[in-house]
Amino acid sequence: QQPVQSPQAVILREGEDAVINCSSSKALYSVHWYRQKHGEAPVFLMILLKGGEQKGHEKISASFNEKKQQSSLYLTASQLSYSGTYFCGTDSGGYQKVTFGTGTKLQVIP
Amino acid sequence: DVKVTQSSRYLVKRTGEKVFLECVQDMDHENMFWYRQDPGLGLRLIYFSYDVKMKEKGDIPEGYSVSREKKERFSLILESASTNQTSMYLCASSPSPVQETQYFGPGTRLLVL
Repeated sequence: QQPVQSPQAVILREGEDAVINCSSSKALYSVHWYRQKHGEAPVFLMILLKGGEQKGHEKISASFNEKKQQSSLYLTASQLSYSGTYFCGTDSGGYQKVTFGTGTKLQVIP
Repeated sequence: DVKVTQSSRYLVKRTGEKVFLECVQDMDHENMFWYRQDPGLGLRLIYFSYDVKMKEKGDIPEGYSVSREKKERFSLILESASTNQTSMYLCASSPSPVQETQYFGPGTRLLVL
């Protein structure tokens, strides 16, 4: 079953912050985050392993709450280059069989 | 840089045709994947392979088969294409151990008429 992402879409002005949530009905081994720009392949952002860790990548960071089976992606001081569709992927078996959500379309405007 | 290439960017086929989509990776990765991407449905896993000649069904394997005869190449086969298989197909690869990023190819947009 696909993880549920929210919101489905969001529009930000440059410099604003955003949070994208990912929720699963299954116990999770890891959560993966990818960004896909229009017409391009998805590109890896980060992986979070069970243990409730928080990771950072430039101004993009993420948290993983293993007990709640949820992850959140935080984008701070957004830039135009952040525009794209963000996918979370969840892995319940440690198998690399990642199940992706339906995506969150993020648009950053000047 | 890791490179994952797919044989075609665009493909048009007729209903009932047998279709082969090829994927090649140049980084000696153990794991390879095939996804389809449809608006509003995200990325859905069709099949994956964790070794040569090994394959596992993903979430939507019906109507598809795969072949992995060499480590660098993973083929997706539509035995008898149908219009509901019109989609964007993405191949990906990743190294072992399991918690590694997946590297995606550019995708093949398939139209079945």
